[in-house]
Amino acid sequence: ETGVTQSPTHLIKTRGQQVTLRCSSQSGHNTVSWYQQALGQGPQFIFQYYREEENGRGNFPPRFSGLQFPNYSSELNVNALELDDSALYLCASSLAGRSSYNEQFFGPGTRLTVL
Amino acid sequence: KQEVTQIPAALSVPEGENLVLNCSFTDSAIYNLQWFRQDPGKGLTSLLLIQSSQREQTSGRLNASLDKSSGRSTLYIAASQPGDSATYLCAVYSSASKIIFGSGTRLSIRP
Repeated sequence: ETGVTQSPTHLIKTRGQQVTLRCSSQSGHNTVSWYQQALGQGPQFIFQYYREEENGRGNFPPRFSGLQFPNYSSELNVNALELDDSALYLCASSLAGRSSYNEQFFGPGTRLTVL
Repeated sequence: KQEVTQIPAALSVPEGENLVLNCSFTDSAIYNLQWFRQDPGKGLTSLLLIQSSQREQTSGRLNASLDKSSGRSTLYIAASQPGDSATYLCAVYSSASKIIFGSGTRLSIRP
């Protein structure tokens, strides 16, 4: 059983550019959540995808968007990058279902630096 | 709106001491509560998850308790070691989809 993986591990972009981050969920999981962690802060919930549809969203602008694919992997896209978007982006997968308590398993994260 | 607070923000203790990290939350209607460890620049390592129907969980030298009615959780670390130095994050499952994190307690164990 493979865990949650994310790519790339590090990324440097300039203000105004667009970025795509990728996440492969743990085997058997159907739900992916994305979090942004600024330096010295706890992670902040961006959104969650369940069976390819958005299933909850935090307080982030529309330039943060996502996709989930039929194999349950996911992408996070950020348009018009701003300096404050510099952060560690964490992906977490879980198995949603009536009998599960939806424990989320986290990947190692992607460190994004916006210059 | 659920808010999660961790106090203190930083803690330094000598090796061998037992210590308690605190987490409080404002809305008692939670699904689960989870404690994580994070080393500098790294991702999250899950330590313990307590379901809403449980009062505590134990793993090795770690024990986490949950009191939903008072909106509190504690993480007890016994016989601390320098390798325990890290940031400890408390996370509340405020719905089936959404986790709310505290800002963490940065723990330093002095040899």
